[in-house]
Amino acid sequence: ETGVTQTPRHLVMGMTNKKSLKCEQHLGHNAMYWYKQSAKKPLELMFVYNFKEQTENNSVPSRFSPECPNSSHLFLHLHTLQPEDSALYLCASSQVGGEKLFFGSGTQLSVL
Amino acid sequence: GEDVEQSLFLSVREGDSSVINCTYTDSSSTYLYWYKQEPGAGLQLLTYIFSNMDMKQDQRLTVLLNKKDKHLSLRIADTQTGDSAIYFCAEIPKNDYKLSFGAGTTVTVRA
Repeated sequence: ETGVTQTPRHLVMGMTNKKSLKCEQHLGHNAMYWYKQSAKKPLELMFVYNFKEQTENNSVPSRFSPECPNSSHLFLHLHTLQPEDSALYLCASSQVGGEKLFFGSGTQLSVL
Repeated sequence: GEDVEQSLFLSVREGDSSVINCTYTDSSSTYLYWYKQEPGAGLQLLTYIFSNMDMKQDQRLTVLLNKKDKHLSLRIADTQTGDSAIYFCAEIPKNDYKLSFGAGTTVTVRA
């Protein structure tokens, strides 16, 4: 148990669906991240929030919409996804300026 | 090319030593990390090394850093079946807080 919880663990959705991924951290951290993990590719940083403010958006398509209502919760809202968006989506947290990331177990997303 | 590069696969016999290699491009990196990902799980920080160190040892793990060649390695002594996982090398550049990851090395331990 890393202190970072992601739900759901698995998600299958059609290209016209709307769904949300949820992440919650119990570590008292103030920075949260979304990463995309595709097979045999480096982890791709998608979004970074520091103190609830988005500080990074790595050219992510608008069909991915993050939300960070407070320092403990992070959402990723999904709509009109494409099959190539199928991947493992990992949430992580850290202290701002801290050098260690703590990851959740991820949501395995399949887009049909 | 990628900022952090690793070989994709490593097969090792149980009880032998495993050596996972990584090369990186940013000479200003302050920290370099090894993360482990077991099946169905997220990444877990295994160990890390400051850029002013050459070596760090932690029980069965030995990290070697060659700054001149921008080469990082992780040695696992007496490899066990529980060491089967994907191992990610990562760096954090100076004046930044975002990690840059490699693609991961899948280590398979055979009996």
